[in-house]
Amino acid sequence: DADVTQTPRNRITKTGKRIMLECSQTKGHDRMYWYRQDPGLGLRLIYYSFDVKDINKGEISDGYSVSRQAQAKFSLSLESAIPNQTALYFCATSDLSGQLYTFGSGTRLTVV
Amino acid sequence: EDQVTQSPEALRLQEGESSSLNCSYTVSGLRGLFWYRQDPGKGPEFLFTLYSAGEEKEKERLKATLTKKESFLHITAPKPEDSATYLCAVFTSGTYKYIFGTGTRLKVLA
Repeated sequence: DADVTQTPRNRITKTGKRIMLECSQTKGHDRMYWYRQDPGLGLRLIYYSFDVKDINKGEISDGYSVSRQAQAKFSLSLESAIPNQTALYFCATSDLSGQLYTFGSGTRLTVV
Repeated sequence: EDQVTQSPEALRLQEGESSSLNCSYTVSGLRGLFWYRQDPGKGPEFLFTLYSAGEEKEKERLKATLTKKESFLHITAPKPEDSATYLCAVFTSGTYKYIFGTGTRLKVLA
């Protein structure tokens, strides 16, 4: 089994729908992150969490929310999806240094 | 402003044709520079960490080097299985931020 598991792997949704992307990890790391990847823009941080009670906005948090249900689970929600949220979404974990990341395999989201 | 720039955006090599990928950075303070490999449909996978100018790390056909302004990922005698996108990232000491470059797409032809 993968250290960081993301579900679903692919999703097509309609504009205005609410959608949740899920991430679970077996690394035992406290720190978890959500990134989106767009061609030519690289990886951009949406939200991060240093433990269950600590949630922080990243550089592009507008239109997104997160929930840290347990040390191992970190979910990303799009409250009302819009087409420019079409992207590849990655969950990642890190050790306490915050430097070495382990990524999931990603969720390809298409908003039509 | 902290910035990471990778070049070239894309690179096509013949099998066995050695080359280098560049990652230049402008940051307030460098705590570490990281190289990741990303295959299509997968998340980035860690390759190397470099912490100080002059440091070098090697793994199979890959060697990463670091100066005060840039890092190089040297690929010696590449094989088709080395085809991937290579991402560079820096962790800054001033803002404790992790900043990714946009990557270099490498294609090695048999």
